[in-house]
Amino acid sequence: AQSVSQHNHHVILSEAASLELGCNYSYGGTVNLFWYVQYPGQHLQLLLKYFSGDPLVKGIKGFEAEFIKSKFSFNLRKPSVQWSDTAEYFCAVNAGGSYIPTFGRGTSLIVHP
Amino acid sequence: GAGVSQSPSNKVTEKGKDVELRCDPISGHTALYWYRQSLGQGLEFLIYFQGNSAPDKSGLPSDRFSAERTGGSVSTLTIQRTQQEDSAVYLCASSSTYGANVLTFGAGSRLTVL
Repeated sequence: AQSVSQHNHHVILSEAASLELGCNYSYGGTVNLFWYVQYPGQHLQLLLKYFSGDPLVKGIKGFEAEFIKSKFSFNLRKPSVQWSDTAEYFCAVNAGGSYIPTFGRGTSLIVHP
Repeated sequence: GAGVSQSPSNKVTEKGKDVELRCDPISGHTALYWYRQSLGQGLEFLIYFQGNSAPDKSGLPSDRFSAERTGGSVSTLTIQRTQQEDSAVYLCASSSTYGANVLTFGAGSRLTVL
């Protein structure tokens, strides 16, 4: 069965710091990869996705993620975080043609102004 | 509707009671998912409906949990004889067949079992 690991459960940063959240998955075949974000009091929403093509994908609000197939990773990055980026971030994977995404445990990000 | 609607938003019940949680997906979305979000545990898949196909129930944790989807639209998740470990936020999401599995989530139903 596929699994998704998010190594950082809690991250605390100051504004303007750079961000990288790790995501690794355990499936060797074709994958679709996602990052979802849940801002305080809001629904989970899509941040960015990778299906094929350029392994560096850009999402909303200046976020980007890089798919590294050899490392089974899809890390999320942002060069300079803002207080409004405070949220819970979830990595998700669809593997092997499955229509059911498997989610990681999530990373809680707190950005201090 | 414009988004995925879930009700109730909050439910407090006593151990042993049955509860029903409702999900109204985005109009035209053929796929519907239920997930459970427990504190620090991420999202746990429960059940998946796609059109008129038999649902994928592989994530249901016990036979106390069941779900149905009527007319390919509204879904109800039922938990019988609730236990304290059932306390969680139950999330519903929908997706269009051609949406490449991008899920649109509802606000969730927070269940507290006393």
